[in-house]
Amino acid sequence: SQTIHQWPATLVQPVGSPLSLECTVEGTSNPNLYWYRQAAGRGLQLLFYSVGIGQISSEVPQNLSASRPQDRQFILSSKKLLLSDSGFYLCAWSLTTGELFFGEGSRLTVL
Amino acid sequence: QKEVEQNSGPLSVPEGAIASLNCTYSDRGSQSFFWYRQYSGKSPELIMFIYSNGDKEDGRFTAQLNKASQYVSLLIRDSQPSDSATYLCAVPTGGGNKLTFGTGTQLKVEL
Repeated sequence: SQTIHQWPATLVQPVGSPLSLECTVEGTSNPNLYWYRQAAGRGLQLLFYSVGIGQISSEVPQNLSASRPQDRQFILSSKKLLLSDSGFYLCAWSLTTGELFFGEGSRLTVL
Repeated sequence: QKEVEQNSGPLSVPEGAIASLNCTYSDRGSQSFFWYRQYSGKSPELIMFIYSNGDKEDGRFTAQLNKASQYVSLLIRDSQPSDSATYLCAVPTGGGNKLTFGTGTQLKVEL
């Protein structure tokens, strides 16, 4: 069966510090991968998605970046965090349009 | 106009009642629609999808689609306190590689 792992689960970072969130999927090949962010009390905002290794589509201009170094690995990064980067970050995978399977999420607080 | 719109709620229903959650979408060309459930502090999970006009039933859940009115709804029969969550409507966009979510409707099932 397929599983998705996302870490770290919780982190508190100072403004201006770097960020790295990692996500791996097991049990499937060539999945579409996604990073979403959910700010407090708000909906899911798509940040990046990838249909293959090295193929990244960015949805929202910001100080975040994503990379897909391996088929089932997706990384979200920032060189310098802003207060507005706080939120609940969710990695997801899919093989079929619309059917997303989410990781447990990473809750980021920027102080 | 937002691609997917939902009433944020909260929608309160007594235990055992029918909960009706609604969603409108802007793209007349949309072919498929997805409902996700998100418990507080957790990641979303897919509960239903619908492609064709009319009703689709799965246990206590019924999805209803009216393409002419650009309207999709989710009915929950015999509502239970465990159904208390935020329900997110989602539509594939960007050629189907992306999933755009509404802001969600918070459902509270009261004893």
